[in-house]
Amino acid sequence: GENVEQHPSTLSVQEGDSAVIKCTYSDSASNYFPWYKQELGKRPQLIIDIRSNVGEKKDQRIAVTLNKTAKHFSLHITETQPEDSAVYFCAASMTLGGTALIFGKGTTLSVSS
Amino acid sequence: GAGVSQSPRYKVAKRGQDVALRCDPISGHVSLFWYQQALGQGPEFLTYFQNEAQLDKSGLPSDRFFAERPEGSVSTLKIQRTQQEDSAVYLCASSLRTGMDEQYFGPGTRLTVT
Repeated sequence: GENVEQHPSTLSVQEGDSAVIKCTYSDSASNYFPWYKQELGKRPQLIIDIRSNVGEKKDQRIAVTLNKTAKHFSLHITETQPEDSAVYFCAASMTLGGTALIFGKGTTLSVSS
Repeated sequence: GAGVSQSPRYKVAKRGQDVALRCDPISGHVSLFWYQQALGQGPEFLTYFQNEAQLDKSGLPSDRFFAERPEGSVSTLKIQRTQQEDSAVYLCASSLRTGMDEQYFGPGTRLTVT
């Protein structure tokens, strides 16, 4: 089955710096890759997603890139702010015979002012 | 509109008790998913419904776990004879159509088995 690896597990940056979180997946049939932000005690919330027919997608300070050949995708946050501090999860969806999201283990991002 | 809701938000059960966790998806959403999130981990898939049909239950960890969605809307996850290792947050998510659509998560039920 699908396996998603996420790195780093923790990331500390200064306000205004950029943050990059990387994920790899194993199943070449996966073609939907969302990123969720989860604040302590709260529900996961989708911040951006990308489908396999697109190599890059941007939404204001957040961007995601996808390399299908290498089976990895990355989240880029620019001009980080303290409110960006949270746990970020990448996920991949197996679309052949299944639709569940397979999540990475998460990255705890801390932005200090 | 209203998002995904779950009840109860917190549940404490003694080992061996049965529990039932409820999920109210967004109205009109066809797909419903249950995930288990252990402390400090990512959500792990348990089961998936399309309307009332349970299409995938491969993630249920044992036969003590049972889920249903009899009328294609509200879903219940039941855990029989709870064990300490069942302690986790149980998240429900719904999406308009298939898993290719955004999954909207509920706030979760935090289950603690003592």
